[in-house]
Amino acid sequence: EPEVTQTPSHQVTQMGQEVILRCVPISNHLYFYWYRQILGQKVEFLVSFYNNEISEKSEIFDDQFSVERPDGSNFTLKIRSTKLEDSAMYFCASSDEADTTNEKLFFGSGTQLSVL
Amino acid sequence: GIQVEQSPPDLILQEGANSTLRCNFSDSVNNLQWFHQNPWGQLINLFYIPSGTKQNGRLSATTVATERYSLLYISSSQTTDSGVYFCGQNNAGNMLTFGGGTRLMVKP
Repeated sequence: EPEVTQTPSHQVTQMGQEVILRCVPISNHLYFYWYRQILGQKVEFLVSFYNNEISEKSEIFDDQFSVERPDGSNFTLKIRSTKLEDSAMYFCASSDEADTTNEKLFFGSGTQLSVL
Repeated sequence: GIQVEQSPPDLILQEGANSTLRCNFSDSVNNLQWFHQNPWGQLINLFYIPSGTKQNGRLSATTVATERYSLLYISSSQTTDSGVYFCGQNNAGNMLTFGGGTRLMVKP
């Protein structure tokens, strides 16, 4: 079964450093997303991406965050200058909303980001 | 914004027992999904169910959109069912708003 893959599974960084989290969505999907989950809390939406541009973003997704689809398969989340409170599990997801009868969201296994 | 509330927050079951998890939402539903987060943190999509009833093995889900709630039924629970169950909902666009989850522990 096709799946969303994320790398790395764990990332440790120093405060103020830039990090790039990588995702390969399911190949025929058209919509891509980043969500995050701070330890013990609910999953929160960050951003959605369609047709090579951001379609929606939350208040969390400030100027420190950016997304890119550099080629036909990868989808990246960049945090320019990490803060302690950016420590969380970051999930990439994709969906094929062209199938309006089954707009399931498929999540990757996540990247655990720890900012020290 | 959309409010999504899940109950109960915690649930302990003996293996073999049945359970019902509830998800209440504050706005009209366009997209309602149930997820299982296993102990390794993976989020597995269980159901896309904006309305009606669906079944998949021992799991089934029902959404009553007019009354703004969804139920997830787990029958004959197994230890592998342990984890956190989240519902997520939106009424337009792509952004799913998640509930706080139900943490389920199934004891052998």
